[in-house]
Formats: sequence, C-alpha cells, structure tokens
Amino acid sequence: SQTIHQWPATLVQPVGSPLSLECTVEGTSNPNLYWYRQAAGRGLQLLFYSVGIGQISSEVPQNLSASRPQDRQFILSSKKLLLSDSGFYLCAWSAGEPQYFGPGTRLLVL
Amino acid sequence: GESVGLHLPTLSVQEGDNSIINCAYSNSASDYFIWYKQESGKGPQFIIDIRSNMDKRQGQRVTVLLNKTVKHLSLQIAATQPGDSAVYFCAETPDNYGQNFVFGPGTRLSVLP
Repeated sequence: SQTIHQWPATLVQPVGSPLSLECTVEGTSNPNLYWYRQAAGRGLQLLFYSVGIGQISSEVPQNLSASRPQDRQFILSSKKLLLSDSGFYLCAWSAGEPQYFGPGTRLLVL
Repeated sequence: GESVGLHLPTLSVQEGDNSIINCAYSNSASDYFIWYKQESGKGPQFIIDIRSNMDKRQGQRVTVLLNKTVKHLSLQIAATQPGDSAVYFCAETPDNYGQNFVFGPGTRLSVLP
C-alpha cells in the first residue's frame, strides 16, 4: 500500500530564516505531487504541483519554491520566511484521482 | 491542525443519529467530487468520491449524493460515532488534472454523547 510522509510535524522559525519541508511517498511510482497551504476557515490553497522529476508548476507567486529531486520526494523551501508564511502545509500525491494527503507540517514564523 | 476550521459552520449531532453534511459548488463543468475528513492536527483523509455520471454512491456507513441540477453535494454518515467528529470538506474538479481541484472550507461535525 502507498504511504506518504511529511517532516517535520511542527516547526517554529524566526522571520528571515530559511525553510525546508520534505515529503516522501512510498509504494507507488511517478506520482503527481502537490504542496498545499491550509488557512483557518478556508479551503486548501495549491502552491505547487509536479508531474515528474524536475517538473514544478507554481500556482501562487510568493517567496516559496519547490523541488522534486527524486521520483517520490517533494521539497518545499524558502530562503527567507515571512510572518505570513505561518500555516499548515500539506503534501499530497495522486495517480490520477483522488489525491491522498500527508499528515501535514504546522509552521509558525515568529 | 488547529489552523483549520476556527470559524467553520458546525453541525452537532447525537451519537447514533445520522449526519448530513452539505456542499455547494459553482462550476457546472465539475465532473469529479471527493469528500475528505480532517481530524484536528492531521492531514485530510479520503472518505468517498463520485463522478458526475452518478447521483449516489455508498461506502461503509457513508453515502454521497450528487445533485447536478442545483450543484449540490452531500455526505450522509449513518449511526454517527464519536470518532466521526472532525472537519469534513468537499473537493471538485472539472477534469482529470489534480491541479484543478477546488476545495471547500469545510464543516465541523461535533458528535454529542
């Protein structure tokens, strides 16, 4: 069966510091991968998606970036965090439909 | 996580009763729909899906109903249990591309003992 992992589970970072969140998927090959941010009382906001190694599409211009160095690894990064980057970040995978989500990372920028 | 659902509509039901959670969508071209369950501090969990060529689909204790005429989707949970307490949200897409999913804000289900 397929599983999806995210780490860290919780992260507290100062403003201006770098960020690296990692997501890995097991049990499937060439999945579509997604990064979402979830804000209170609102639907999930798609940040990035990838259909293959090295292929990244950005949905929202911001100070975040994503990379896919391996087939089942998806990384969300920032060079300098802003206060507004605080939130709950979710990674998801799909092989068509539906999307399956990871456990999420709660990021608090102080 | 605690960042989800701070100001969401809430549905409170007695344990053992049936629950009905509703979702309205706006895109008449939406072709595929999903219901997710999200417990506090966790990622969303897939519950059930339905395509636009169907109007009803049943799973274990759950039923999804789709009314394309009024663009309405509902999730029915039979014999609601304390473990069903969570935020439930729907997702829709007009095509097979995952990047085009639109997610609703969700409804918080509270099961009363």
